[in-house]
Amino acid sequence: GENVEQHPSTLSVQEGDSAVIKCTYSDSASNYFPWYKQELGKRPQLIIDIRSNVGEKKDQRIAVTLNKTAKHFSLHITETQPEDSAVYFCAASTPPRNTDKLIFGTGTRLQVFP
Amino acid sequence: DAGVTQSPTHLIKTRGQQVTLRCSPKSGHDTVSWYQQALGQGPQFIFQYYEEEERQRGNFPDRFSGHQFPNYSSELNVNALWLGDSALYLCASSSSGRDEQFFGPGTRLTVL
Repeated sequence: GENVEQHPSTLSVQEGDSAVIKCTYSDSASNYFPWYKQELGKRPQLIIDIRSNVGEKKDQRIAVTLNKTAKHFSLHITETQPEDSAVYFCAASTPPRNTDKLIFGTGTRLQVFP
Repeated sequence: DAGVTQSPTHLIKTRGQQVTLRCSPKSGHDTVSWYQQALGQGPQFIFQYYEEEERQRGNFPDRFSGHQFPNYSSELNVNALWLGDSALYLCASSSSGRDEQFFGPGTRLTVL
């Protein structure tokens, strides 16, 4: 069945360092890949997404890359700040309607130490 | 422009009881999806409503049911509650034809 694996489960970095979170999806038909940030006790917030017709997308300090052949996609955060500390979830969605269900990874707890 | 809202914020029920959770989508959105998030896990898709009909369903039993109203708001009903139903219930709204889903703050359900 559909599955998204996410690694690592926890990640600790020093402020200013980069952080990378990786996900692998099982359904080769998936073509929409959002990333959500969830702070403790808060709602998941969409921070960046990528569609399968694009290999990379960047928004200020965050970027996402997609390798359709390997069915991998990754989140890159540069110049990390303490406020980046949160749980990050990757997800995948399958056509024909990409507003259909999102299959989520198990999350990565990122801690940024000052 | 209000975002996605949910009520109530917290709820405590006992086993066997029934519960109704409510969601109002973001202005301009017509599609509502419900997710269950157990502690330490990613959200799991329950079902999605569009044009007042259930359009897609995840791997949840029939005890989980829903409804969408003409104003696009939605309810999630859970019957015969189990201890394992304790979780954060999130709704996400989206606009048909667009990919992005935006989440509400969730309802924390505790079943004793």
